[in-house]
Amino acid sequence: GAGVSQTPSNKVTEKGKYVELRCDPISGHTALYWYRQSLGQGPEFLIYFQGTGAADDSGLPNDRFFAVRPEGSVSTLKIQRTERGDSAVYLCASSKTALDGYTFGSGTRLTVV
Amino acid sequence: GENVEQHPSTLSVQEGDSAVIKCTYSDSASNYFPWYKQELGKGPQLIIDIRSNVGEKKDQRIAVTLNKTAKHFSLHITETQPEDSAVYFCAATTLNGANNLFFGTGTRLTVIP
Repeated sequence: GAGVSQTPSNKVTEKGKYVELRCDPISGHTALYWYRQSLGQGPEFLIYFQGTGAADDSGLPNDRFFAVRPEGSVSTLKIQRTERGDSAVYLCASSKTALDGYTFGSGTRLTVV
Repeated sequence: GENVEQHPSTLSVQEGDSAVIKCTYSDSASNYFPWYKQELGKGPQLIIDIRSNVGEKKDQRIAVTLNKTAKHFSLHITETQPEDSAVYFCAATTLNGANNLFFGTGTRLTVIP
């Protein structure tokens, strides 16, 4: 597609529930990144995929967070047993190769109540 | 890991004046420094970037300078317009290394008509 697409744009969930956030990168982009942005802060790195594999998952805060990219295109960020502190905007970005700058999507605003 | 500091946190300028935002970084291995503009409810949009093999880059009203020795880089916007009003983030990374961007805390720029 023309840009990075993220769905849903907004998600409200109850504490303890499971959520999935989807990212459709720009077609042909091999690198995909997930970031989390809290109000008034810069984005913070979560995980980076090169193709289908997670090249760096050092930013995932704990084992409740998991992400997949099974076919090297669409990626899903999965959060188990959500907590109120997980509330944030989750941003996805992609780049053509690991040497290129990246393009962000508009994000998914997650609210845990 | 990398630490990026950004100043000022807020900046107000009259339309037509220039705006300058400054960032410092800590990791001498960082070689890629993008700047993002973020409008309310949207993801960060890449506006200009610079790699460590050059000291300055310009694109119309926007320019970025990099001082590798001092580990700082700056964004310069000339002839500011009301539509330049947004939050601006600097970032740093080592492309083809860690690849994850480390962001500054953002500068809210307001251009007063």
